[in-house]
Amino acid sequence: AAGVIQSPRHLIKEKRETATLKCYPIPRHDTVYWYQQGPGQDPQFLISFYEKMQSDKGSIPDRFSAQQFSDYHSELNMSSLELGDSALYFCASSTGTGIHEQYFGPGTRLTVT
Amino acid sequence: AQKITQTQPGMFVQEKEAVTLDCTYDTSDQSYGLFWYKQPSSGEMIFLIYQGSYDEQNATEGRYSLNFQKARKSANLVISASQLGDSAMYFCAMRDQGTGGFKTIFGAGTRLFVKA
Repeated sequence: AAGVIQSPRHLIKEKRETATLKCYPIPRHDTVYWYQQGPGQDPQFLISFYEKMQSDKGSIPDRFSAQQFSDYHSELNMSSLELGDSALYFCASSTGTGIHEQYFGPGTRLTVT
Repeated sequence: AQKITQTQPGMFVQEKEAVTLDCTYDTSDQSYGLFWYKQPSSGEMIFLIYQGSYDEQNATEGRYSLNFQKARKSANLVISASQLGDSAMYFCAMRDQGTGGFKTIFGAGTRLFVKA
């Protein structure tokens, strides 16, 4: 079965650079969630989209922005990168009304040097 | 406010024995889901088991079972017959509608070490 795809899997950037993470949800899933997991921490919710509209917002820095496109893929744009942005970024997808149907991608590991 | 509490930062278990990982939760919603995920050192988040708030029976998936005590707001994970490959970080998580959308709230995690 098709799973959530995230690209790239690994990314190394320098401070003050920008980064774009991509997420391709499972086919026919219309909701995408982004989570950030710092070293030794639990994942923290950043933002979600349903039918291309922002549906919820968590602890996402103003330097970050995200959107969901017409094909339902989503991109997380991160500017003015800081060392503290080094983390594992997960994308998850679901159908619009699923408490239990939320599937996580493999994650993108971002390292800021 | 929604919250997940895992009070065991680390646990040791002997291979082939059973182990219980504790989880308590807090939510004001009547409809919610409780989940356990396994995260090995490679980083991926592996879904293990799900319990719905209206489910009357405890969920089971192979060697994993969820001890759901709704009145006490606890959702402990029981792993039977531990294997060396079970060594990993385990997250208890909850999903309810909250402020909009079904975002997942995670606990701090419990690192399980299985000894040979």
